[in-house]
Amino acid sequence: GAGVSQSPSNKVTEKGKDVELRCDPISGHTALYWYRQSLGQGLEFLIYFQGNSAPDKSGLPSDRFSAERTGGSVSTLTIQRTQQEDSAVYLCASSLLRGRGEQYFGPGTRLTVT
Amino acid sequence: KNEVEQSPQNLTAQEGEFITINCSYSVGISALHWLQQHPGGGIVSLFMLSSGKKKHGRLIATINIQEKHSSLHITASHPRDSAVYICAARKNTGNQFYFGTGTSLTVIP
Repeated sequence: GAGVSQSPSNKVTEKGKDVELRCDPISGHTALYWYRQSLGQGLEFLIYFQGNSAPDKSGLPSDRFSAERTGGSVSTLTIQRTQQEDSAVYLCASSLLRGRGEQYFGPGTRLTVT
Repeated sequence: KNEVEQSPQNLTAQEGEFITINCSYSVGISALHWLQQHPGGGIVSLFMLSSGKKKHGRLIATINIQEKHSSLHITASHPRDSAVYICAARKNTGNQFYFGTGTSLTVIP
């Protein structure tokens, strides 16, 4: 079946603009994660959704970052008033079982803030 | 100090060699994941384990909960194993994941 998809694959934006990044998880997967991978740095947890429950936002770096998940499926990560330090690859992963399942990663969105 | 430490950072091996990558963590965890990231950037989950040992083909992952340590072994390494291997620990409270900085493996023919 289809894997996790993300769009766009690349996004270049000017500092101060808002951006939206989309993630389509594998059908039936209830858990969805957003991560960030900055150049030369490791992966960083951002936010976790489990079904229709309130998300775990403990990894969001600032209040400029927000995410939603509609109908327990598609998720959108929004970054407001982008800064150059937001430049990174944003990765989405989904999992069948909360906390106990293997994660399937999307290809990522490479965000460049100029 | 990072919650998850990996070693070595870089590793070069000859084809056929046995490879070990180590991961130590300082937080209480519910599970530990090993991930593989190829040069193109795609990430694949190799293992998820909370105790003992798992094997998949030439890959073996072990975890020692008491010592807070996990290892990833590759037997009979091959150039296609060249990638970055990342250790990720899921905290046992909440949903936070902590990641190691990765081990860059190059296997030379």
